[in-house]
Amino acid sequence: QAGLTQPPSVSKDLSQTATLTCTGNFNNVGNQGAVWLQQHQGHPPKVLSHRNNNRPSGISERFSASRSGNTASLTITGLQPEDEADYYCSAWDSSLSIWVFGGGTKLTVL
Amino acid sequence: EVQVVESGGGLVQPGGSLRLSCTTSGFTFSDYWMTWVRQAPGKGLEWVASMTGDGSARFYVDSVKGRFTISRDNAKNSVYLQMNSLRVEDTAIYYCARDPVDLWGRGTLVTVSS
Repeated sequence: QAGLTQPPSVSKDLSQTATLTCTGNFNNVGNQGAVWLQQHQGHPPKVLSHRNNNRPSGISERFSASRSGNTASLTITGLQPEDEADYYCSAWDSSLSIWVFGGGTKLTVL
Repeated sequence: EVQVVESGGGLVQPGGSLRLSCTTSGFTFSDYWMTWVRQAPGKGLEWVASMTGDGSARFYVDSVKGRFTISRDNAKNSVYLQMNSLRVEDTAIYYCARDPVDLWGRGTLVTVSS
C-alpha cells in the first residue's frame, strides 16, 4: 500500500516563502484532493487545509493549499519560527479504499 | 465543542489484546466515517482503519487485517479499535480522526513490550 511522496526536508529563511509538495496518483490526490497537517514535536497533528483546499477556522491566511494534477502543494508565506514543524499530506485512495499518507516534510526555518 | 477523545492505551505484552475507545461530541456522529491513524515513535503517520457512518463497511491496512477490528456505537457517539495478537511493531500513538481526517484527537499511547 504505497504512500504519497513528500520531500523529507525543506529549509527556508525567516520571512521567506516555502512551498511543500505532495505527489500521488489519479485515484488519490488527483480526484480526491489532499488534506494537509502540521505536527509539532510532541503534539497531535493539526489540520491546515481540507481536501477542497479550504482552511479550517483559525488557521492563518499565510497557509494556502492548491492542486495541479496529481500533485498537491502547501504554500507558507512570511515564515515564522513557529512554522518549524513536520508537515504531512493525506488523501483517500478511491481505488484501494484506503487513506494514504505522505512520509512527511520537516520544515526548518533558518 | 467539536472534539474527539481517545482512551484505552497502555502497556501490553506481545500477543496480548487492547481495546481503544474514541468518544466524540459536537457533531452528528452517524453522518461521518471514522478513522484510526497511528504514529510509531519517531516515525510518520500511518492509516490503520476506517469505518463508514452506518457501520456497513470497514477498511484496514494490510498489516493489521485479521488482528484489529474497528467498530462503532452511534448511540454513544463512539468508535472503537479492538487490537488482538499485538506485536512490538504495533507500538505507537493511536489517533482517532473524523473523516476526511479533518478532526483529530490527542491520541493514546499503546506500548507492546515484554
